[in-house]
Amino acid sequence: GAGVSQTPSNKVTEKGKYVELRCDPISGHTALYWYRQSLGQGPEFLIYFQGTGAADDSGLPNDRFFAVRPEGSVSTLKIQRTERGDSAVYLCASSLGTTGGETQYFGPGTRLLVL
Amino acid sequence: AQKVTQAQTEISVVEKEDVTLDCVYETRDTTYYLFWYKQPPSGELVFLIRRNSFDEQNEISGRYSWNFQKSTSSFNFTITASQVVDSAVYFCALSERHTGFQKLVFGTGTRLLVSP
Repeated sequence: GAGVSQTPSNKVTEKGKYVELRCDPISGHTALYWYRQSLGQGPEFLIYFQGTGAADDSGLPNDRFFAVRPEGSVSTLKIQRTERGDSAVYLCASSLGTTGGETQYFGPGTRLLVL
Repeated sequence: AQKVTQAQTEISVVEKEDVTLDCVYETRDTTYYLFWYKQPPSGELVFLIRRNSFDEQNEISGRYSWNFQKSTSSFNFTITASQVVDSAVYFCALSERHTGFQKLVFGTGTRLLVSP
């Protein structure tokens, strides 16, 4: 079946602009995660959804970052007033969400460049 | 303190050589999960293996094998008879009970270069 998909694959924006990044999880997966990967680093956790609710948003760096998942499937990560330091690859992952420690399957990522 | 340490930044081998990628982790939990992912140049993270803290049996899958040792908090990954297609960045990751197992903590990765 289809894996996790993310759009756009690349996004170039100017400092101060607003961006939205979209994630479509694997069908039937109730858990959805966002990570951010800077160059030469491992992915860093941002936020986790179980169903429609954000169960853990402890990784969001500040209040410019916000994510939603209104119908428990597609999620959107929103970044306001972008800064150059937000440039990174934003990865989305999903898992079945039925028990703990399940395998998270990742999408191809959105490469964000803030000029 | 780093929770997942991958001390090898980059390893270069010639095809058909065996190579071991090291992973050392730190956790206060007795129940946790360990993972390995592969990130080829295309960028997508590909799941390789998941291991829970109660299962210390080594695992072999084709040319890949994993050695989990709780006594040394290590979960090392060996590729036998490496191939050019194995060239990628490999990440070790940890999920812990006290975070509900829902947050993966990654190491900084090891870049493997396999030359023909």
